[in-house]
Amino acid sequence: NAGVTQTPKFQVLKTGQSMTLQCAQDMNHNSMYWYRQDPGMGLRLIYYSASEGTTDKGEVPNGYNVSRLNKREFSLRLESAAPSQTSVYFCASSEIGRGNQPQHFGDGTRLSIL
Amino acid sequence: DQQVKQNSPSLSVQEGRISILNCDYTNSMFDYFLWYKKYPAEGPTFLISISSIKDKNEDGRFTVFLNKSAKHLSLHIVPSQPGDSAVYFCAGTFSGGYNKLIFGAGTRLAVHP
Repeated sequence: NAGVTQTPKFQVLKTGQSMTLQCAQDMNHNSMYWYRQDPGMGLRLIYYSASEGTTDKGEVPNGYNVSRLNKREFSLRLESAAPSQTSVYFCASSEIGRGNQPQHFGDGTRLSIL
Repeated sequence: DQQVKQNSPSLSVQEGRISILNCDYTNSMFDYFLWYKKYPAEGPTFLISISSIKDKNEDGRFTVFLNKSAKHLSLHIVPSQPGDSAVYFCAGTFSGGYNKLIFGAGTRLAVHP
């Protein structure tokens, strides 16, 4: 039971480089999410996809783009990485986008921008 | 503007005793509150939730209490076990829309034998 799988687990980038964080879920969930977690702060929503074919901005979308490739996969792209994007990134999924549906999280990608 | 606040960064409790983790919120529009537990190098895992129309929800050793007038909720763990040592996040969300979770900063619980 893989649940939500994120790759890579760790990455170091130089300022200005680009990269894509991958996320896949095998629970047939409709909704998927990308969060970032910074020290002393809770998780903050970057982007979400309520269903296949739709994406919308969350609280902190600047500097990121997303692609909902199919029902299983939701990727997060940093076009030009900045040190302020150093963080731990979590992908999550839920059956539907309703408040009482718990989200299931991957184990995170730890990203450092030098 | 922090809509969900967990004012205690850490809590230390002896095994077998009660752990009480607190959370305050400012947004009266929240319809649900959820607690997540996070171990190092892992993602958060859902623990327990409560609807805003309830004042208590219980699941085994875990009970969440909601005081709407005070905009306060708490998670009680009884009895506490060493395996409960983790960071606990509370989050508020809305029944409409897209299941947007607003997280607190978390409380690190250490349960000592």
